[in-house]
Amino acid sequence: AQKVTQAQTEISVVEKEDVTLDCVYETRDTTYYLFWYKQPPSGELVFLIRRNSFDEQNEISGRYSWNFQKSTSSFNFTITASQVVDSAVYFCALSEPNTGNQFYFGTGTSLTVIP
Amino acid sequence: EPEVTQTPSHQVTQMGQEVILRCVPISNHLYFYWYRQILGQKVEFLVSFYNNEISEKSEIFDDQFSVERPDGSNFTLKIRSTKLEDSAMYFCASRRLAGGSGDTQYFGPGTRLTVL
Repeated sequence: AQKVTQAQTEISVVEKEDVTLDCVYETRDTTYYLFWYKQPPSGELVFLIRRNSFDEQNEISGRYSWNFQKSTSSFNFTITASQVVDSAVYFCALSEPNTGNQFYFGTGTSLTVIP
Repeated sequence: EPEVTQTPSHQVTQMGQEVILRCVPISNHLYFYWYRQILGQKVEFLVSFYNNEISEKSEIFDDQFSVERPDGSNFTLKIRSTKLEDSAMYFCASRRLAGGSGDTQYFGPGTRLTVL
């Protein structure tokens, strides 16, 4: 069973539009951690955010915001006023202390921002 | 800002050959990882390493794979006899804290392995 599901395979938006990337996770642990990483065309994985299971406060960082809802096991990522430089593949990941904190990645969402 | 480095950036090898992928984790980090990403697919966990031994490994990490921390800075992944299906991007990652802290993993830029 997939621990992290990113149902959106590809999304295209026009520059300046807002876009939300969905992430649904599955775990039996009460303590766990959620992450978002960005993978630009150059291939590296860039850390965006870390959230622990006890902190459901939403977070905003510039044009980025994250909505963590334990009730629906979701950790969605919104980019406001998208820019061409946001074009990348975005991965959501889950780590569980009980399994050595290895990351379980979703399949990624490829975002294309059209100028 | 400290970062994880990996060498080489691209490795081309013939099927059946041995390859060693090298990583230098961030210096005060304690936990080290290898992941792989087959082209166009998700990133998959291979192995974690702490206190000079393997902590966890996935089904992918079979007998042809091994990891080593030969000195205080390098962390290597060896593939003994490469197969075509080993072609992938291999990422090294490290994190600062031990235990169940859920500390952020920082990834290196990856080594693209191409097996011909």
